[in-house]
Amino acid sequence: GAVVSQHPSRVICKSGTSVKIECRSLDFQATTMFWYRQFPKQSLMLMATSNEGSKATYEQGVEKDKFLINHASLTLSTLTVTSAHPEDSSFYICSAGDRVLPDTQYFGPGTRLTVL
Amino acid sequence: QKEVEQDPGPLSVPEGAIVSLNCTYSNSAFQYFMWYRQYSRKGPELLMYTYSSGNKEDGRFTAQVDKSSKYISLFIRDSQPSDSATYLCAMKQAGTALIFGKGTTLSVSS
Repeated sequence: GAVVSQHPSRVICKSGTSVKIECRSLDFQATTMFWYRQFPKQSLMLMATSNEGSKATYEQGVEKDKFLINHASLTLSTLTVTSAHPEDSSFYICSAGDRVLPDTQYFGPGTRLTVL
Repeated sequence: QKEVEQDPGPLSVPEGAIVSLNCTYSNSAFQYFMWYRQYSRKGPELLMYTYSSGNKEDGRFTAQVDKSSKYISLFIRDSQPSDSATYLCAMKQAGTALIFGKGTTLSVSS
């Protein structure tokens, strides 16, 4: 089956620092990648959609200057949380749309960010 | 009204029971319907994928979509303790991102 990896799986950082999270599709090409955020016992909230080689599309209420998304290749997208604050602590999950089956999304294992 | 409604539970059943999970939705343009399973602190795992209406079966899992009623279901037969997880329904139009339900927490006791 399609595999999506995320790195790191867990990160703890100080307030004011920036954190980069990588999302890779390991055995398929993903023209579209999605970034979600999930709070405890809540569902996944879409943050942004990124297409390879173009700017990401952010959902309403998501600050694009705070959550920088780069989708440099068909297998890699990165999310950088800039100047992180404790309220940014959350579970961040990426998903990738299969190029062959574009309406199927496979999810990564998630990254737990804790900002002190 | 939210686009996708799902009862968060929790739902507790004994091992071997048949489990029924459901979602309703309001957007008649949704064409793709999925069920994901999510274990604690893990990413969602795709269980079932259905295009348009109808039934789909995979082992102990059966997904049903009734577009006329805007209602989808996931049935789990012979439930096992390892099925204990949160089940998320999700749906979308072509070319758009998935919209998720809140998820139903299922606990199967041995």
